[in-house]
This record gives sequence, structure tokens and C-alpha cells, in this order.
Amino acid sequence: AQRVTQPEKLLSVFKGAPVELKCNYSYSGSPELFWYVQYSRQRLQLLLRHISRESIKGFTADLNKGETSFHLKKPFAQEEDSAMYYCALKSGNSGGSNYKLTFGKGTLLTVNP
Amino acid sequence: GAGVSQSPRYKVAKRGQDVALRCDPISGHVSLFWYQQALGQGPEFLTYFQNEAQLDKSGLPSDRFFAERPEGSVSTLKIQRTQQEDSAVYLCASSLQMDYGYTFGSGTRLTVV
Repeated sequence: AQRVTQPEKLLSVFKGAPVELKCNYSYSGSPELFWYVQYSRQRLQLLLRHISRESIKGFTADLNKGETSFHLKKPFAQEEDSAMYYCALKSGNSGGSNYKLTFGKGTLLTVNP
Repeated sequence: GAGVSQSPRYKVAKRGQDVALRCDPISGHVSLFWYQQALGQGPEFLTYFQNEAQLDKSGLPSDRFFAERPEGSVSTLKIQRTQQEDSAVYLCASSLQMDYGYTFGSGTRLTVV
């Protein structure tokens, strides 16, 4: 069975400091991994996906299959980055595509001025 | 509409009462998902529709939970004889295709008293 672990429930950093939100996964197949973000009073939204290998709002995440990790990083945190971050793994194949998201419990990031 | 719309936003139900939660996906989105998010947890998969076909209902916690999408657009999640453990935020998400990112609604917060 698939599992996503986010070991830190809370993470607090100062503005301008580097930030790393940890995510580890357990999955027997080829993983598709995502980071979702939920800002205060807003809906859950996609931040980035590993297959895109893109940087969104200065965040990057690299899939490390050896360590089964997909940590989210940003070199210089901003106050507007304060939010709840969820790591998610896609599984449950249907017609050749995965569809089911398994989420971690989330990490609440607070960026202090 | 521009996004996924869920109603009601908040629902308070007495234990034993039946409730119905509605989801209006983005027009044209083939895939529709329901997730349950308990307090302090990440969203957990309940069920998946492709058009009007319910392809996966493995996440529904009991036979008191029932979901439908009769015309391949609007979906309803029904919970019969609600229990206190059903208290959670129920999220709906839709996607044009499975390989695309999912757009989440704002959720319905159900409180069973």
C-alpha cells in the first residue's frame, strides 16, 4: 500500500532563510509526486509536480528514488509562503493512468518577519 | 463557473440525520473525486468518477456513504445516519483528464452533533 510521510507538523523560519519541507513516500510502483498548498482561507491548490521539473514561486522539489523522498525547498522564504503544505502521491491505475492521490498529513509553514 | 463549487459550505447535522453534499465540477471535466479531510489530517480518497461511471469507491468508509454523478456533471455525496466520526471537511476535485492536475473545491465542513 502507498504511504506519504511528512515528519514535521510545524515549521517556522525567518524571512530570507532557506526552507525545506520533508516528504518521504512508500510505493511499489513508479511514483508520481506532487506538492499542494493551502493558504489561509483558500482552497487546496497544486504547487508543483515532479514530472514537470519546474520551479513555482521559487520552490523546487526533486524526486530521490533511492531515498524515496520528495522534499520541497526554497532558498529564501517569504512571508507570503506561510501556508499548509501537503505532499501527495498518485496511484490507482485506470486505463494506463494513475488517478488516486494519497496525501501526507501536512506541514504548516510559518515565515516570520 | 470558473472553479469547482461545493455546497453547502457548512453543515451541522444531528447524529442519525441524513445529509447530501453537492459538487459542481468545472464544465467539461471528465474526472471527479471526493476526499474526506479530518481535523489535523491530510485529505483521504473516498471515490472517483469518470463521467457518470463510478470507477473506484474503495475509500468510502461504510455503506452509509453513497456517491452519484448521474449525468456526468454534478455529483452528490450522501451520508446516511450520520455519526460523530463523520465530522470532517469533504472536498471535491475535478480534472479534465487523469494526467492533468486536479482543481479542488473549497469543501463542505460537516459537523455532526
